[in-house]
Amino acid sequence: DAGVTQSPTHLIKTRGQQVTLRCSPKSGHDTVSWYQQALGQGPQFIFQYYEEEERQRGNFPDRFSGHQFPNYSSELNVNALLLGDSALYLCASSRQGAHRSPLHFGNGTRLTVT
Amino acid sequence: GQNIDQPTEMTATEGAIVQINCTYQTSGFNGLFWYQQHAGEAPTFLSYNVLDGLEEKGRFSSFLSRSKGYSYLLLKELQMKDSASYLCAVRDMAWGGNDYKLSFGAGTTVTVRA
Repeated sequence: DAGVTQSPTHLIKTRGQQVTLRCSPKSGHDTVSWYQQALGQGPQFIFQYYEEEERQRGNFPDRFSGHQFPNYSSELNVNALLLGDSALYLCASSRQGAHRSPLHFGNGTRLTVT
Repeated sequence: GQNIDQPTEMTATEGAIVQINCTYQTSGFNGLFWYQQHAGEAPTFLSYNVLDGLEEKGRFSSFLSRSKGYSYLLLKELQMKDSASYLCAVRDMAWGGNDYKLSFGAGTTVTVRA
């Protein structure tokens, strides 16, 4: 049973560029959430997708956008990259209505902006 | 919003017990999770509390007091592999209870010494 998979594992970009990160949820899960984790900090909620719509959003600017596909996989896009966007980006999946079930996290994409 | 506090670092000896405290202030509490995260890896689920009291899972136990906004994670018979960051996360319900997001503390780095 494949868990949450993310690609790529590492990425180096230059300020001002755009980046797309990808996530496939755990089998049986239909909801995908994205988190940003800066070094030494806990993950910060970016947004959540269910039924191909953004359902909730954290305190992140519009430069951060996403998409969910019919197969439940998801993309996170970040435009006009800033140095401060350097972080570990974590994708987490869950199943709607499974309130006692934890989020399952992927291993993340380490983004470095130079 | 959420305000979640936990100590930054703790050190203990192999075979000992360590207790990691977490206090939170929330507008819509619906459960508290503890995750373990080794450096460069994904957070992995340890425990979940939604009602007051103690939940025990092997060497790990977690306690919740909703009236006090307080939880702790107890790690017994510490092993070297337990050296990691431990994240306290509070679930905030939205959308009629079918969606949720997690708000994380900054994490407690536990170092186990021989």
